Formats: sequence, C-alpha cells, structure tokens
Amino acid sequence: GENVEQHPSTLSVQEGDSAVIKCTYSDSASNYFPWYKQELGKRPQLIIDIRSNVGEKKDQRIAVTLNKTAKHFSLHITETQPEDSAVYFCAASSPGGYSTLTFGKGTMLLVSP
Amino acid sequence: KAGVTQTPRYLIKTRGQQVTLSCSPISGHRSVSWYQQTPGQGLQFLFEYFSETQRNKGNFPGRFSGRQFSNSRSEMNVSTLELGDSALYLCASSLGTGAARDEQYFGPGTRLTVT
Repeated sequence: GENVEQHPSTLSVQEGDSAVIKCTYSDSASNYFPWYKQELGKRPQLIIDIRSNVGEKKDQRIAVTLNKTAKHFSLHITETQPEDSAVYFCAASSPGGYSTLTFGKGTMLLVSP
Repeated sequence: KAGVTQTPRYLIKTRGQQVTLSCSPISGHRSVSWYQQTPGQGLQFLFEYFSETQRNKGNFPGRFSGRQFSNSRSEMNVSTLELGDSALYLCASSLGTGAARDEQYFGPGTRLTVT
C-alpha cells in the first residue's frame, strides 16, 4: 500500500518567516495530495490540495508544489503568523478510485511572535 | 451547508466492553471514511463506506467494524475494547465519485478512553 513520509516532525519559526514542510510518497499511482491543518483540540481542516496533473498551486500565503518524478510534495507558508501554529498533515490518495487517504505523521509548526 | 457531525464527542469505557460511534456526513456526500488518531501513530485509516458498501479497509483487527445507512450516515463499532483502543476517532465525508471524490472533510471526532 501507499506510504507517506513527512519531515520535519517539528518546525519552529519566527513570525514573518517562511515555513516549508516536505512529504514523500511511495505509490506512483497516487494522484491527489491534500494538506490538513489541525489546531489543538480541533478537527483536521483541509487547507490546500493538488492533483497530479498540476505542479504548483497557491492560495494567498500558502502554496503546494508537486514533483511526480521524485514522488514528493511540499507545503510552503510565507509570512507566517502566530495563528499558523498547528499540526500540519500531508496525505496521498489511494489508487483504485477509492476515497481513501494515507497520512504522514504530521509536523508541529510553532510560530513565535 | 452543515459540516460533518459525530456523536458522542466523548466516551469512557471499560476493557472488554463494546462501543458504537456515529457519523453524519455533509449533505450530498456518499462516502464516509473512518480514521483512528493517536499521538504515536498519527492518523490511521480504518475503513471507507460508499453507498452502504465497505469499499476499502485498513489494517485493523476484526473487532473494528462499521456500516453505512441509506442516508449515508455511518456507524463504527469496536468490540471487546482494549486499553490501546483509546484514541480520537475521526470520520471524514466526501462525494465519493467524480473528480472530487477524494476531497475529505473531517468531523470533530469522538474521544474514546478505555480504562
């Protein structure tokens, strides 16, 4: 089955800096890569996603890049703010037409004022 | 449009008991997936239901089961509870078909504590 590795496990930045979280996946047939943000005690929220026919996608301060050849994708957050502090999860879809996601272990992002 | 809801939000059970958790998906969504979230293992896929049929299953023992009703609401059941079953159980709904079949939206989760 699919395996998703996520790095780093924790990331501390100063407010205004950029943050980058990287994920690799194992199954070249995976074609959908979402990112979720989970604040303490809350549900994971879908913040951005990318499909395998696109190399990059942006939404205001966040962007995701995908390298299908290398089987890795990354989340980029620019001009970080304290409210960006949360755990971020990457995921890859399960091939075969199912609605199944395999998640990375998560990155705890801490943004200091 | 109302989001995904889960009941109950918190449960405390004793080893050996069984428990049933409920999930109501977003209106129009036909797929419900269940995940177990623990600090050590992260988010692990349990199973996915689409149109009342289990379409995919993760690597969990047979004590974990589920079902889906005609209105797309889903339940999961855990029998003979073990201490290691203590976790946050999340369900996620999606359309289940079409180009956006795998865009999943999570419920708030049920926090299960087994003593």
